[in-house]
Amino acid sequence: AQSVTQLDSQVPVFEEAPVELRCNYSSSVSVYLFWYVQYPNQGLQLLLKYLSGSTLVKGINGFEAEFNKSQTSFHLRKPSVHISDTAEYFCAVSDMDGNNRKLIWGLGTSLAVNP
Amino acid sequence: EPEVTQTPSHQVTQMGQEVILRCVPISNHLYFYWYRQILGQKVEFLVSFYNNEISEKSEIFDDQFSVERPDGSNFTLKIRSTKLEDSAMYFCATSDPRSNQPQHFGDGTRLSIL
Repeated sequence: AQSVTQLDSQVPVFEEAPVELRCNYSSSVSVYLFWYVQYPNQGLQLLLKYLSGSTLVKGINGFEAEFNKSQTSFHLRKPSVHISDTAEYFCAVSDMDGNNRKLIWGLGTSLAVNP
Repeated sequence: EPEVTQTPSHQVTQMGQEVILRCVPISNHLYFYWYRQILGQKVEFLVSFYNNEISEKSEIFDDQFSVERPDGSNFTLKIRSTKLEDSAMYFCATSDPRSNQPQHFGDGTRLSIL
């Protein structure tokens, strides 16, 4: 069985500061990794994904994440955040094998960017 | 870019009533999913559906839940006798099993049980 751990439930940060949101996963099989963002009262938007290849992946809105297989981590980073980045961020994994791409989700990290 | 469409955006229902949530998948996608997000909590997998049958379901997906694709386009989630704890955001997602691309999500249906 797979599981996803997001180590920080809330991350307050000042505008223009760097931020890292941590994600670790557990799986007995190879997985795809994702970060989704959810703005208040909105749906789920894909920020970035790791499917294969380079372990550093770049996404939308200036976010990037690095897949570390040995540490089973997929931490999300942004060098300089904006007020508009305030949102809930979810890390998720799905099986690489087979066709069923169901996602297993972390509990989420609430990013609060303050002026 | 093609979209997954969910209706209604908000459904208010009395406890014990049946509700049907609807989703129009992306046309060439063959795998369909429902997820639930109780307010302030994480997103939870409910069920996946492929080739007109359930592929996998979670322990949340008990006998009060059912899914079907009645007309070849809509993909529906039915909750037979709603409980207060069914109040949540329900997301539909679809994927193309022939690619490794991630699922596409709809905007969700907010279900409020009174």
